[in-house]
Amino acid sequence: DTAVSQTPKYLVTQMGNDKSIKCEQNLGHDTMYWYKQDSKKFLKIMFSYNNKELIINETVPNRFSPKSPDKAHLNLHINSLELGDSAVYFCASSHQPGQASSGANVLTFGAGSRLTVL
Amino acid sequence: DAKTTQPTSMDCAEGRAANLPCNHSTISGNEYVYWYRQIHSQGPQYIIHGLKNNETNEMASLIITEDRKSSTLILPHATLRDTAVYYCIVKAVDNYGQNFVFGPGTRLSVLP
Repeated sequence: DTAVSQTPKYLVTQMGNDKSIKCEQNLGHDTMYWYKQDSKKFLKIMFSYNNKELIINETVPNRFSPKSPDKAHLNLHINSLELGDSAVYFCASSHQPGQASSGANVLTFGAGSRLTVL
Repeated sequence: DAKTTQPTSMDCAEGRAANLPCNHSTISGNEYVYWYRQIHSQGPQYIIHGLKNNETNEMASLIITEDRKSSTLILPHATLRDTAVYYCIVKAVDNYGQNFVFGPGTRLSVLP
């Protein structure tokens, strides 16, 4: 009954390949995110989707294409992988901003997917 | 969103209280203070958040100064499992997605 689940947990691939990481949440949240954590351990947001609509796209190369078939899923497809894409990718979800009774929302993160590009 | 400043690292003895400070001197009136932590090789975990009043939950307490320019996260009885990187984030609620900006955080080591 994992709240935010990502697959695969580990992914090793060659430069130039295309790969996908899948994310699913069973929390009933409206908003989902992809974050990237590089070797220096900084967490940076890549994308945010609200009810299947792209909300945030933080200057990510267009080789990265998120796809949200429904509000419980947000998959990340990466074309023509490069060495610099090696990182841990975290999926997260939250209630729609502004709707929580306290006026603030919190993110629930998945366990991460470690991508290694050789 | 306001910027935060945290010490790079801290140590705490097991069973003692861990007090993690955070400075956010440019915080605006509508910005909340959030705390997350990331245990090695896991995803970040929400701990607590507050606006201006002190808050407590089963994980921790959050003390926010009256001028809201700084705050302290308190883990009352630290255990070895609390060893992690702790992130203090200041963020307003908006309608365009929760773009939480994670800084380098404080690496807390709980020592036996």
